[in-house]
Amino acid sequence: ETGVTQTPRHLVMGMTNKKSLKCEQHLGHNAMYWYKQSAKKPLELMFVYSLEERVENNSVPSRFSPECPNSSHLFLHLHTLQPEDSALYLCASSHQRQGADYGYTFGSGTRLTVV
Amino acid sequence: GQNIDQPTEMTATEGAIVQINCTYQTSGFNGLFWYQQHAGEAPTFLSYNVLDGLEEKGRFSSFLSRSKGYSYLLLKELQMKDSASYLCAVRDRENRLAFGKGNQVVVIP
Repeated sequence: ETGVTQTPRHLVMGMTNKKSLKCEQHLGHNAMYWYKQSAKKPLELMFVYSLEERVENNSVPSRFSPECPNSSHLFLHLHTLQPEDSALYLCASSHQRQGADYGYTFGSGTRLTVV
Repeated sequence: GQNIDQPTEMTATEGAIVQINCTYQTSGFNGLFWYQQHAGEAPTFLSYNVLDGLEEKGRFSSFLSRSKGYSYLLLKELQMKDSASYLCAVRDRENRLAFGKGNQVVVIP
């Protein structure tokens, strides 16, 4: 366990379904991130929340909708996904502090398959 | 923007030494990280460099040259459990990490 917990670990959903991914951290971090990891591609940053406010959305399609109700929890709401959205979705957290050698702590990810 | 380049795959023998290279182009460099990721698992932190030079942590060492936009991760005394993907990530001044594609290392007996 890394201190960042993601559920579910695996998810299969149809293109018309609505589902949510959950991420939870109790490391005292104040920033949380969603990344998408597809085969043969770099991790792609999707959303950044710092102090519970969304500070970045890297042009992600609106069928992905994040929610950060508090500094410990992060959700990714999914609806009307496409097969190309099948990937590993990773959550990460960090402590926002300039000049510090804090990296990210990642969860184990949710393996999403869209059928 | 950031551009990070890593070789995609390498095979090495148990007990050997392997060097994984990473070149990057970025505006606002604020540190470079190496992560290890086993299949189906979370990436885990290995090392951090922000100044030029070599950082050593047990069997793993990481080197940085900021002027050349270059880093390498050195794995010594390879073990079977070292078979994994090794991700290079560059941080900018807003604490955002941009990742390379990762280098898959396969350790054979």
